[in-house]
Amino acid sequence: AQTVTQSQPEMSVQEAETVTLSCTYDTSESDYYLFWYKQPPSRQMILVIRQEAYKQQNATENRFSVNFQKAAKSFSLKISDSQLGDAAMYFCAYRRDNTDKLIFGTGTRLQVFP
Amino acid sequence: NAGVTQTPKFRVLKTGQSMTLLCAQDMNHEYMYWYRQDPGMGLRLIHYSVGEGTTAKGEVPDGYNVSRLKKQNFLLGLESAAPSQTSVYFCASSWDRGELWTSGNTIYFGEGSWLTVV
Repeated sequence: AQTVTQSQPEMSVQEAETVTLSCTYDTSESDYYLFWYKQPPSRQMILVIRQEAYKQQNATENRFSVNFQKAAKSFSLKISDSQLGDAAMYFCAYRRDNTDKLIFGTGTRLQVFP
Repeated sequence: NAGVTQTPKFRVLKTGQSMTLLCAQDMNHEYMYWYRQDPGMGLRLIHYSVGEGTTAKGEVPDGYNVSRLKKQNFLLGLESAAPSQTSVYFCASSWDRGELWTSGNTIYFGEGSWLTVV
């Protein structure tokens, strides 16, 4: 069975600095998708970034980028130039290709200090 | 564009009462899901649907029932609420057939429904 592990329950970063959130996953599949979701205090889940496993190039969305290491089954999220509005819970998620289930990690709470 | 809408957003139930959470999406998505979120547990899939008239069990289906009579709606029912069902419930949808092979199957969430069972 696939699993997603986020080993950092909490992280903190100074405003304008860079922070990296870790995520590892376990799967025997070769085709799958990985996601990072942000959940602010409002509790709404917001897609931050998505990575297709068949793509070697790391996905980037403005200040958010990933370090996707397929062999190591690692999918970390880097937030550059952190802003106060980045404070939230961040969830890593996995989805096997052609399936209907999204498997989530337990989340990392990110605090941003001014 | 409303996206995914959940009602109600807050509810307090007594043990043994029943209730239904309604999820509506306006994106013509085929798949819909109900998740629950508990501290330290992430999101866990309760039930899901791959199309109108279909339902399937997720990771934690016990104590819940669902129905998908219309493509845009997915209902989650608690027949006899228990304190263990106190949680935040999220509805989500995905898989617009028009973008089936290109989207990476992005999943869209509602804002959550807070349920407390006392």
